[in-house]
Amino acid sequence: GQNIDQPTEMTATEGAIVQINCTYQTSGFNGLFWYQQHAGEAPTFLSYNVLDGLEEKGRFSSFLSRSKGYSYLLLKELQMKDSASYLCAVVDSNYQLIWGAGTKLIIKP
Amino acid sequence: GAVVSQHPSRVICKSGTSVKIECRSLDFQATTMFWYRQFPKQSLMLMATSNEGSKATYEQGVEKDKFLINHASLTLSTLTVTSAHPEDSSFYICSARDGGVNYNEQFFGPGTRLTVL
Repeated sequence: GQNIDQPTEMTATEGAIVQINCTYQTSGFNGLFWYQQHAGEAPTFLSYNVLDGLEEKGRFSSFLSRSKGYSYLLLKELQMKDSASYLCAVVDSNYQLIWGAGTKLIIKP
Repeated sequence: GAVVSQHPSRVICKSGTSVKIECRSLDFQATTMFWYRQFPKQSLMLMATSNEGSKATYEQGVEKDKFLINHASLTLSTLTVTSAHPEDSSFYICSARDGGVNYNEQFFGPGTRLTVL
């Protein structure tokens, strides 16, 4: 079966750095997305990785290792507005998105 | 960027009535649209995938006669929840894929919160 694993909840302090991990086992791989979702709102795009390595975009970076079936989202200089759920999703061989359950990130002052 | 709208954003209806939700891609042609449902504190659950001009493909466990999907044009898909019941109360989100350079990316609508009394 297809499986995406990410921690259910994480807590971090404002101004700090947090890394949210995602491991996957899917039938084929055509890329991995990270989305941010605030409560009561639809997901918004953060990053897309299809090749191994680190993609940096401002305070957010995303890393991919295809051989390990592993990705992480790194958030730096955390702000209170970063409190949200972070969803990892993998594009499988049928170009369907397989979703993780999401990681709820709680930022404390 | 690609923009997807949904209407209505919020709807309250009585049990037994039908509700139609519209999903529109505003600045691109969506070859494929997806309908998701999300219950509180849970992740997105894909209900169905629809390609313009063809029947939708429903995920296992989703009743196609209850959740009617129509994708009549490249910019519009509709989801009709027929004979709604309180257990259908949920957050319904559509997304669209343009089939172009960003083939894999799905652009999400803002969601529709359905409450069935």
